[in-house]
Amino acid sequence: GENVEQHPSTLSVQEGDSAVIKCTYSDSASNYFPWYKQELGKRPQLIIDIRSNVGEKKDQRIAVTLNKTAKHFSLHITETQPEDSAVYFCAARGSGQLTFGSGTQLTVLP
Amino acid sequence: DAGVIQSPRHEVTEMGQEVTLRCKPISGHNSLFWYRQTMMRGLELLIYFNNNVPIDDSGMPEDRFSAKMPNASFSTLKIQPSEPRDSAVYFCASSSQTISYEQYFGPGTRLTVT
Repeated sequence: GENVEQHPSTLSVQEGDSAVIKCTYSDSASNYFPWYKQELGKRPQLIIDIRSNVGEKKDQRIAVTLNKTAKHFSLHITETQPEDSAVYFCAARGSGQLTFGSGTQLTVLP
Repeated sequence: DAGVIQSPRHEVTEMGQEVTLRCKPISGHNSLFWYRQTMMRGLELLIYFNNNVPIDDSGMPEDRFSAKMPNASFSTLKIQPSEPRDSAVYFCASSSQTISYEQYFGPGTRLTVT
């Protein structure tokens, strides 16, 4: 089955700086890569996603890049704000289901 | 739409008791997923249904866990008998695989087994 690895597990940045979270996947047939944000005590919520036929996607301060050859994808958050502090999960879709990475605790320091 | 609805939101039970978690997916969604989240193991897929049919239950930990989806608007996850190691947050999610792959999560049920 699919295996998704996510790094780093924790990340602290100063407000206004950029944050980058990286994931690798194992199944070359995976075709959909979402990123979820989970605030403390809340449900995971989709913030951005990318399909395998696209290399990059951007939505305001967040962007995702996908390298199918290397089987890795990354989340980029620019101009970070305190409200960006949360746990971020990457995921890969293969065989109809999502496999999630282990999560990154992002802390934006004021 | 009210989104994915789960009940109860919190459940505290004693070891050995039966626990039933409930989920109502978003109307029109044809796929439903049950996840378990713990600090140690992260977010794990337990089982998922497509058009009310279980497709993959390889994530169900053991025979104490069972899930059903009798119709398109209701699913249950049952643990019998419950054990302290079952304590976790259980999320239900739904998606419309014919429109997009996005999964919408419910608010979760926090289960504590003492």
